[in-house]
Amino acid sequence: QQQVKQSPQSLIVQKGGISIINCAYENTAFDYFPWYQQFPGKGPALLIAIRPDVSEKKEGRFTISFNKSAKQFSLHIMDSQPGDSATYFCAASSGSARQLTFGSGTQLTVLP
Amino acid sequence: DAGVIQSPRHEVTEMGQEVTLRCKPISGHDYLFWYRQTMMRGLELLIYFNNNVPIDDSGMPEDRFSAKMPNASFSTLKIQPSEPRDSAVYFCASSFGAGSNQPQHFGDGTRLSIL
Repeated sequence: QQQVKQSPQSLIVQKGGISIINCAYENTAFDYFPWYQQFPGKGPALLIAIRPDVSEKKEGRFTISFNKSAKQFSLHIMDSQPGDSATYFCAASSGSARQLTFGSGTQLTVLP
Repeated sequence: DAGVIQSPRHEVTEMGQEVTLRCKPISGHDYLFWYRQTMMRGLELLIYFNNNVPIDDSGMPEDRFSAKMPNASFSTLKIQPSEPRDSAVYFCASSFGAGSNQPQHFGDGTRLSIL
């Protein structure tokens, strides 16, 4: 049973535009929500993460918005660049379990 | 600093053969994770270790899969006998410390093809 649902599956954005990827979770025990970026032939790399006690976290052009009541969180990439073209995964984990549950991934293409 | 190192990067073998994937975690990290990535199922956790001890292997698909961590700097994932449906990219990741907010650092994976 998929516990983290991610959409869209693919996304095409013009350079300078805003990319938005959404995730929803079911397990209310999750208390840590990272986003990973993966380039072809590479492993996923942590991009940004948030805990549910805040509603937003911003790092440079990347922002996570978190809605605890709706059990949803999203990644916003401002001023998207061709170098941002990659696959993005949302994930969630809870306390002592340590395991990351990943969404299905979004392939982002930023056109020059 | 060296990241997580996996070998081989690519492996092609015939069905029924034994396959061994290797991982060297980041020095000082006390958690090690094995994941499998496929188009159909995405990224799945197979097993993870803490201080070389397997903690949760509930993601291991079946008895053909086994994982060991003989010391803090080395882990293996073995498939015997291998089947075509085992074809996937296998990732190893490591992290430091307790708590769910410790980032996991991934290797570049082993692309496994079973013919």
